[in-house]
Amino acid sequence: GEDVEQSLFLSVREGDSSVINCTYTDSSSTYLYWYKQEPGAGLQLLTYIFSNMDMKQDQRLTVLLNKKDKHLSLRIADTQTGDSAIYFCAETLDYKLSFGAGTTVTVRA
Amino acid sequence: KAGVTQTPRYLIKTRGQQVTLSCSPISGHRSVSWYQQTPGQGLQFLFEYFSETQRNKGNFPGRFSGRQFSNSRSEMNVSTLELGDSALYLCASSLMYIRAQETQYFGPGTRLLVL
Repeated sequence: GEDVEQSLFLSVREGDSSVINCTYTDSSSTYLYWYKQEPGAGLQLLTYIFSNMDMKQDQRLTVLLNKKDKHLSLRIADTQTGDSAIYFCAETLDYKLSFGAGTTVTVRA
Repeated sequence: KAGVTQTPRYLIKTRGQQVTLSCSPISGHRSVSWYQQTPGQGLQFLFEYFSETQRNKGNFPGRFSGRQFSNSRSEMNVSTLELGDSALYLCASSLMYIRAQETQYFGPGTRLLVL
């Protein structure tokens, strides 16, 4: 994950919004992804955004893309306890997915 | 439609042994990629197979190998296991190869512990 950077931890109160930030390096990446990993599980694709879009909304999830700054964010509205997990930002780098180190989101009551 | 399946889910081996992991992609998907996940290195790309051919390989030693069958199912093999091979091995499938910017869907992973 050396090409994609994320903050490592986020603590949020139940019902509040969570914002997870990510910076990527390859301006030619066409797709950028957010994956979720719960303890002991694989990666669940949450959402993705095309590089020609600025924003994508999918129920409680909002993805914002700033191509100029190579900055991607994921906002989770009305965060629930089931949202506690590790969230990975990923870009398509040539022939593979390049992942960030993951942001551990902890939802507190 | 069934998701990506991986078997076995858990494995315990000792140093020097070899191991084979299996991945069945989503029906109709022809590309399978493998990733290794460790606490220290995060998610690292191992290799990608498409139409029974290895298209790309990550920066791993030759002890790591794989193959893909005509039904798109894939196996990866690790020979002469080392303690550092302990990891979660994730398989991802997509319709086409990753250069086509296809979305990858991951399986639950195989957790390998090397003692």
